[in-house]
Amino acid sequence: AQSVTQLDSQVPVFEEAPVELRCNYSSSVSVYLFWYVQYPNQGLQLLLKYLSGSTLVESINGFEAEFNKSQTSFHLRKPSVHISDTAEYFCAVSGSGGYQKVTFGTGTKLQVIP
Amino acid sequence: EAGVTQFPSHSVIEKGQTVTLRCDPISGHDNLYWYRRVMGKEIKFLLHFVKESKQDESGMPNNRFLAERTGGTYSTLKVQPAELEDSGVYFCASSQGRGINSPLHFGNGTRLTVT
Repeated sequence: AQSVTQLDSQVPVFEEAPVELRCNYSSSVSVYLFWYVQYPNQGLQLLLKYLSGSTLVESINGFEAEFNKSQTSFHLRKPSVHISDTAEYFCAVSGSGGYQKVTFGTGTKLQVIP
Repeated sequence: EAGVTQFPSHSVIEKGQTVTLRCDPISGHDNLYWYRRVMGKEIKFLLHFVKESKQDESGMPNNRFLAERTGGTYSTLKVQPAELEDSGVYFCASSQGRGINSPLHFGNGTRLTVT
C-alpha cells in the first residue's frame, strides 16, 4: 500500500518570497512521484515528476522538487513566487501499476499575496 | 488539439435522484480514467478503461455507480440513486499509453452536489 501526506492544507506567502510545499509518502515498493497543479476552474496539470535518475527535478515555471528516499519526502519549492502561482498543488505517488494506481495527497492551496 | 472535456461542470441534485456525468477524452487516447475528490480530501481513483473495456474498477465505491464507454470514445458515469456522500468533484483523465511515461490529461471536473 502507498500513501501521501501533505500536512499543509493552505500556505499563504507574499509575492516574490520563497515557498516550500511539503509532501511525504509511504510505499513498500519503488515509487514514482508527481506534483500536479490545479489553477482555479481548471483541471489538474502535471507540474513535474520523478521517475528515476537525478533526484532534483524542475518544472518550466521555476518550481523544483527533490526526491529524498531516506526521509521519504518530495517537497516542492520555488525561490520566488508570482501571483500567477496561486493554485492548489497535489503531490502524488505511484508504484509500478500505472496511473490507475496513483495515490494523491489532500492538496495544498498556495495563496500568493500581493 | 482539444483537451479532455467534462459535462456538466456543475450539477445539483436531490438525494435519491439520478445523475449522469460525461467525459470526452482527447481523440486517440485509449486510456480513460475516472477520479473523485470528496469534501476537500484526497483525489481517489475510481476506474480505468482501455478503449471500451473496464481494465480496473477497484475504486468504484458501490453498485450505485455505473461507468460505461461504449465504442471506446466518450464515457459516462451514472450515479443512481445519489446519496449525500456522493458529493464531490469528479475528474476524468485520459492518456495515450498505459505506462507511467504517458502523461495524464485531466478535464476540469464535474462538481456534484447532492442535497
